[in-house]
Amino acid sequence: DSGVTQTPKHLITATGQRVTLRCSPRSGDLSVYWYQQSLDQGLQFLIQYYNGEERAKGNILERFSAQQFPDLHSELNLSSLELGDSALYFCASSAQGAGPYNSPLHFGNGTRLTVT
Amino acid sequence: GQNIDQPTEMTATEGAIVQINCTYQTSGFNGLFWYQQHAGEAPTFLSYNVLDGLEEKGRFSSFLSRSKGYSYLLLKELQMKDSASYLCAVKLYVYNQGGKLIFGQGTELSVKP
Repeated sequence: DSGVTQTPKHLITATGQRVTLRCSPRSGDLSVYWYQQSLDQGLQFLIQYYNGEERAKGNILERFSAQQFPDLHSELNLSSLELGDSALYFCASSAQGAGPYNSPLHFGNGTRLTVT
Repeated sequence: GQNIDQPTEMTATEGAIVQINCTYQTSGFNGLFWYQQHAGEAPTFLSYNVLDGLEEKGRFSSFLSRSKGYSYLLLKELQMKDSASYLCAVKLYVYNQGGKLIFGQGTELSVKP
């Protein structure tokens, strides 16, 4: 158990809808990262937050947004959903974030999103 | 752009040794990570290299050459449970813009009896 909690585990919704994925990082971790994993794309970095502030952005669509709250949990909002958004969405956390120092990312079990 | 290459698939025999290679061309390199991922599960951290050389951790070792943009993961005494995808990931750091961990496509390792 990595200590990172993601809810829900599974989500089935229709095209055009909006969903919210939730992540609680490991105790003490200030950084939260969101990744998308589809069969043909591998793990794609979406966005990183550090202590409530956005710190790095990847290939995140404009229809997607995220935030990190004062209690350090994070939410990823996906709107105007398309069939191609069907994927596993992982949240990860680490102790550090903004600097050049490194600590490994610890991943949650993911949310499997199916858009029909 | 950022590019990380690793073989798509490998097959090895139980008890043997296998080496999974990773080459990268990135900017702002700040370390290389290896993760293991079983199908449908979360990636789990295996090893980290930031300086050139070999890091050993039990049955797993990882090597880095920054000048060549090259790393490998060495798995010894293979077990059936080692069948999984192995992900090479490069930490990028740009001052005042935070860090990103960029993953390769992964190498699917099948361990046969």
